[in-house]
Amino acid sequence: QKEVEQDPGPLSVPEGAIVSLNCTYSNSAFQYFMWYRQYSRKGPELLMYTYSSGNKEDGRFTAQVDKSSKYISLFIRDSQPSDSATYLCAMSSQGAQKLVFGQGTRLTINP
Amino acid sequence: SAVISQKPSRDICQRGTSLTIQCQVDSQVTMMFWYRQQPGQSLTLIATANQGSEATYESGFVIDKFPISRPNLTFSTLTVSNMSPEDSSIYLCSVTTGESNQPQHFGDGTRLSIL
Repeated sequence: QKEVEQDPGPLSVPEGAIVSLNCTYSNSAFQYFMWYRQYSRKGPELLMYTYSSGNKEDGRFTAQVDKSSKYISLFIRDSQPSDSATYLCAMSSQGAQKLVFGQGTRLTINP
Repeated sequence: SAVISQKPSRDICQRGTSLTIQCQVDSQVTMMFWYRQQPGQSLTLIATANQGSEATYESGFVIDKFPISRPNLTFSTLTVSNMSPEDSSIYLCSVTTGESNQPQHFGDGTRLSIL
């Protein structure tokens, strides 16, 4: 069993839809949770960074962490075609060190 | 955040040869890391590049295959040695600035194909 599980998709939704991306994990020591966005032929770009449980909002993006269920989510409101990318969850028990990544979900927003 | 430049951006190499990938940052950083992203797969940490000392390798990766240098706080290299087609992958450099709980930021990677 992988430490971090993420549905690889692909996921295709119409423009303006609310998108929900999810990861589950098995290591209860994880405390730092990140979402990265990766465009084709580019490196991962940090979107959200949260510590421990709770919600964090940044513009159209909301990150949610439920440590009791070992489940994290990223919500994208009013999705745009420019949001089309692969979204990677990542987590760590040691701050920014030793990140463990999910497989990534490929998202397409259709105009 | 720091600007991270990787060279080369891509290369095609013959099996049995070695390639050195450079990672240059425009400011001093605390930590530098090297990852591998195989086709259709997620990122796997190869090693943490330590300034002035030997890199710390993750399970499954060894120094003879992936020697790493970090001579200062803004530069690191990863060498992929004695390459085989299984080494075809994207190699990514990442950095953190400030305290150890700061998130990692990535370069755009080196796309390596082995014939």
